[in-house]
Amino acid sequence: AQKVTQAQTEISVVEKEDVTLDCVYETRDTTYYLFWYKQPPSGELVFLIRRNSFDEQNEISGRYSWNFQKSTSSFNFTITASQVVDSAVYFCALSEANTGNQFYFGTGTSLTVIP
Amino acid sequence: DTGVSQDPRHKITKRGQNVTFRCDPISEHNRLYWYRQTLGQGPEFLTYFQNEAQLEKSRLLSDRFSAERPKGSFSTLEIQRTEQGDSAMYLCASSSLGSPQETQYFGPGTRLLVL
Repeated sequence: AQKVTQAQTEISVVEKEDVTLDCVYETRDTTYYLFWYKQPPSGELVFLIRRNSFDEQNEISGRYSWNFQKSTSSFNFTITASQVVDSAVYFCALSEANTGNQFYFGTGTSLTVIP
Repeated sequence: DTGVSQDPRHKITKRGQNVTFRCDPISEHNRLYWYRQTLGQGPEFLTYFQNEAQLEKSRLLSDRFSAERPKGSFSTLEIQRTEQGDSAMYLCASSSLGSPQETQYFGPGTRLLVL
C-alpha cells in the first residue's frame, strides 16, 4: 500500500497566484516524521521542511507554509504569491521511527508557474 | 560546507556491462542511503549504511546490485550485468545519527542509461 499519496500529478498556476500541494500519508507508528523536498530540473532534491508526529503546529517560512493535520493524515504545502522559480517537482516523504529510517516518497507534484 | 557529491553524474552503458557509482556524504554524517528514481516517480529506497555496516536492504536490490561503505566514509553502488530496466536516476543521501529528525540530504544523483 502506498504510504504517501500526492494525488495532484501536475499543477499550473499563473505567477503571483497561491497554490496548495496536497499530501496524505498512512502509518501505524505513533512516532514518525514528514518532509517536503523540491526537485528542480537539475535533479537534486532540496530539503524544505520536516515535521514530527508530536508537533502539529503549522509553520510559515517566507512564502511557504505547511498545514499538518493528524486527524486527516495530511501535510499540505502552500506557496503564496508563486514565482517562476518555484517551478519544480515537489515530493512529500514519510519516515517511521520503527522501520529503519528509510524515506517513503510520494509520486510528486509537478508545479509550473507561468509568467 | 560541502554537500553530498556523486560521481559520475551521467553514465551510458550497454546491456550486460557492469557499472559502479560513488557517493561522498556530508563529512560528519554517519548514515548513508541509496535510492533509485525512475521517470515520473518518487525515489525508492534501496539500502542504507550506518558507518560501515549495511543495516537494511530493499527487495528492489536484486543480487546484481551490491553496495559498500568500507571505511564508513564514501560508498559505492555496483550493478552487474546491467539491464535496460536499470535505467534510472540513482540518488545518494546522508544524515547524522542522533539528530532529532534525521533529515536526509541528497546528492545530485547519477543518471544511468542502459542501451
